[in-house]
Amino acid sequence: GQNIDQPTEMTATEGAIVQINCTYQTSGFNGLFWYQQHAGEAPTFLSYNVLDGLEEKGRFSSFLSRSKGYSYLLLKELQMKDSASYLCAVKDSNYQLIWGAGTKLIIKP
Amino acid sequence: IAGITQAPTSQILAAGRRMTLRCTQDMRHNAMYWYRQDLGLGLRLIHYSNTAGTTGKGEVPDGYSVSRANTDDFPLTLASAVPSQTSVYFCASSDQGDSNGYTFGSGTRLTVV
Repeated sequence: GQNIDQPTEMTATEGAIVQINCTYQTSGFNGLFWYQQHAGEAPTFLSYNVLDGLEEKGRFSSFLSRSKGYSYLLLKELQMKDSASYLCAVKDSNYQLIWGAGTKLIIKP
Repeated sequence: IAGITQAPTSQILAAGRRMTLRCTQDMRHNAMYWYRQDLGLGLRLIHYSNTAGTTGKGEVPDGYSVSRANTDDFPLTLASAVPSQTSVYFCASSDQGDSNGYTFGSGTRLTVV
């Protein structure tokens, strides 16, 4: 079966750096996405990786290793507003998105 | 403001009743999707449409139907609601490429009692 694994919850301190990991086993691979979802709100798109390596967007970076079925989202200079769930999703061979259950990130002052 | 509008925002529905969740986008995206989100689970695809006039079944289509008469609208119908359909429902859309990801509506919180 297809599977996306991410930690259920993480805690970090304001101003610090946190890395959220995602491992996947899917039938085929056509890209990996990271989304941010604040409680009670819709997911919003953060990043897209289709080739191996690091993609940087301001305070957020996303890394992909297709051979290892692994990605991480790196958040730098954490702010209280970064408290949210972070969703990892992989587009499979049928071009359908398979979603992880999300990682709830708690930022403490 | 460009985006996706979903209605209603929330609804309490008696079991056995029929209900249509509405979704409208103004971005001229070809592809549209309906997901449900339940605590502890990832988003699960109910139905999708790659272009106006076509629809397809996702991971959890049973008990739901959709139509795509035009590019902008993609309603989701529950023919006879059951308590297991209690969930948050998100409509989403995407353009041809993946670089911008999916755009999501604000969701409909549905409770079937």
